[in-house]
Amino acid sequence: DAGVTQSPTHLIKTRGQQVTLRCSPKSGHDTVSWYQQALGQGPQFIFQYYEEEERQRGNFPDRFSGHQFPNYSSELNVNALLLGDSALYLCASSLVGEWNSPLHFGNGTRLTVT
Amino acid sequence: AQSVTQLDSHVSVSEGTPVLLRCNYSSSYSPSLFWYVQHPNKGLQLLLKYTSAATLVKGINGFEAEFKKSETSFHLTKPSAHMSDAAEYFCVVSDRAGGGADGLTFGKGTHLIIQP
Repeated sequence: DAGVTQSPTHLIKTRGQQVTLRCSPKSGHDTVSWYQQALGQGPQFIFQYYEEEERQRGNFPDRFSGHQFPNYSSELNVNALLLGDSALYLCASSLVGEWNSPLHFGNGTRLTVT
Repeated sequence: AQSVTQLDSHVSVSEGTPVLLRCNYSSSYSPSLFWYVQHPNKGLQLLLKYTSAATLVKGINGFEAEFKKSETSFHLTKPSAHMSDAAEYFCVVSDRAGGGADGLTFGKGTHLIIQP
């Protein structure tokens, strides 16, 4: 039973560029959430996708956007990268309706913006 | 609105001694509470969860936590620390009315150091 997989594991980009991160949810899960974890901080909720639509969004600017595909996989896009976007980006999956079920996290994508 | 405060940024204990990681929460509704562990360069792994059943929750690897509504606390404990417990620990709250697992709020983390 495959868990949550994220790609790539590491990425280096330059200020102003755009980046796309990818996530495949755990088998049987239909909901994907994205979190940003800055160095030395706890993860912060970016947004959640279900049925190919954004359901909830945290306090992140519009430069952060996402997409969910019919197979439940998801992408996180960040435009006009800033140095402050350097972080570990975590994807988590869950099953809608099981509201108190814990999220299953991937190992993350480490983004460095220079 | 919901929030989590982890009272210690770093905790250092000797191997074989008890572990206590402290967490206080704030929630407008009856919360769900979780503890996650993160080993270096890894994602987050669930240790245990509280969802309004028994107030004393047992998790993996010998960890447990007690939900105390009167104190708004959810401290994590383990009777005897092992070297493999060294990691970052996050206390997490979910507002039930907000959809439970949607949009979890994480504490800033407690770095657990195990001395040999």
